[in-house]
Amino acid sequence: GAGVSQTPSNKVTEKGKYVELRCDPISGHTALYWYRQSLGQGPEFLIYFQGTGAADDSGLPNDRFFAVRPEGSVSTLKIQRTERGDSAVYLCASSPDVSRAPYEQYFGPGTRLTVT
Amino acid sequence: DAKTTQPNSMESNEEEPVHLPCNHSTISGTDYIHWYRQLPSQGPEYVIHGLTSNVNNRMASLAIAEDRKSSTLILHRATLRDAAVYYCILKYSGAGSYQLTFGKGTKLSVIP
Repeated sequence: GAGVSQTPSNKVTEKGKYVELRCDPISGHTALYWYRQSLGQGPEFLIYFQGTGAADDSGLPNDRFFAVRPEGSVSTLKIQRTERGDSAVYLCASSPDVSRAPYEQYFGPGTRLTVT
Repeated sequence: DAKTTQPNSMESNEEEPVHLPCNHSTISGTDYIHWYRQLPSQGPEYVIHGLTSNVNNRMASLAIAEDRKSSTLILHRATLRDAAVYYCILKYSGAGSYQLTFGKGTKLSVIP
């Protein structure tokens, strides 16, 4: 079946611009996660959705970062006033009902964001 | 989540078994041991998980020490496609903690 998809695969933007990154989770998965991965590091948690609501946004680095999941499926990560330090691979993952731990997370291929 | 310690890198010859170690001396009784791997230019991929007993699946085996302070991921016959970064992650099984906390992992190189 279809896995997690992310668009675009690559995004180059200028410092100060606004960007949106999209994630399509596996159909039926209620949980959705965003991670960020810098070169040579493991992925770092940003935000977790259970359904439509952000259950945990403690990983968002500052208020320039925002994410939505209005219908409980597709999610968009939004970054305002981008900075060169925002350059990284942004990964999305989804998983089935998290009330039944443990649960695998299924990752998408990521969006490589480059801020020039 | 408790911390894990893994070697930065390992090498294996193709077709030979690989034992990837992970130390987690501060593991609690409710922590599951998860392994994920990340192939070049891809997102992480679930490999296996366990709690106390050894586990086997089609990808790998997980051997867990009796005191649970360490574990070993075993690839029975390494192939070139197994070259990846392998992450050992402890995951609290209770409510309110759902994200994965990745370290730097072990970069496995497979020599043809």
